[in-house]
Amino acid sequence: EDKVVQSPLSLVVHEGDTVTLNCSYEVTNFRSLLWYKQEKKAPTFLFMLTSSGIEKKSGRLSSILDKKELSSILNITATQTGDSAIYLCAVYYGGSQGNLIFGKGTKLSVKP
Amino acid sequence: DGGITQSPKYLFRKEGQNVTLSCEQNLNHDAMYWYRQDPGQGLRLIYYSQIVNDFQKGDIAEGYSVSREKKESFPLTVTSAQKNPTAFYLCASSIDIYNEQFFGPGTRLTVL
Repeated sequence: EDKVVQSPLSLVVHEGDTVTLNCSYEVTNFRSLLWYKQEKKAPTFLFMLTSSGIEKKSGRLSSILDKKELSSILNITATQTGDSAIYLCAVYYGGSQGNLIFGKGTKLSVKP
Repeated sequence: DGGITQSPKYLFRKEGQNVTLSCEQNLNHDAMYWYRQDPGQGLRLIYYSQIVNDFQKGDIAEGYSVSREKKESFPLTVTSAQKNPTAFYLCASSIDIYNEQFFGPGTRLTVL
């Protein structure tokens, strides 16, 4: 069965801490992995990763894909209270019609 | 402003009634999607459409129906056959099915 597993499910840190969120997957014919941030409502896109070992960076956020380990990590440095959200990992896989499967998310709470 | 809009924001339905959730995008995206999110769960795909007049079932299509008569619009009907319709519904679109998806603000449906 195709699946995406995120860990931890929830995390509480203090401002200034660095956090690492994990996403592992088991799918047939992997195409890409995406990270989203979901605050109160709709998820917003963060990164799309297709190539192993190439880090994508945006400000204090960065992410990297390890195709050998079938996983990805999302790093947030110098966390701020505004980083509090659910971080969703999703994987595109399959044939010509494509499929997208989401993990359950990691709920990050950043305390002042 | 380009984006995705969903309406209504909140919807209350009596058991046995069909309801239709609206999703419109002006991003000129070919692909559109409907997801359902339950508390503590990741997003689950209901239906998706790669192009006008074509749509495919996702993981949990039972009790739902869609249409794609226009590129900009992808309405979702929650029928009385859907046994647990109370949830948060998210619509998304992307250039094609292999690129990042952009989400609308969501509709929260409650069955009374």
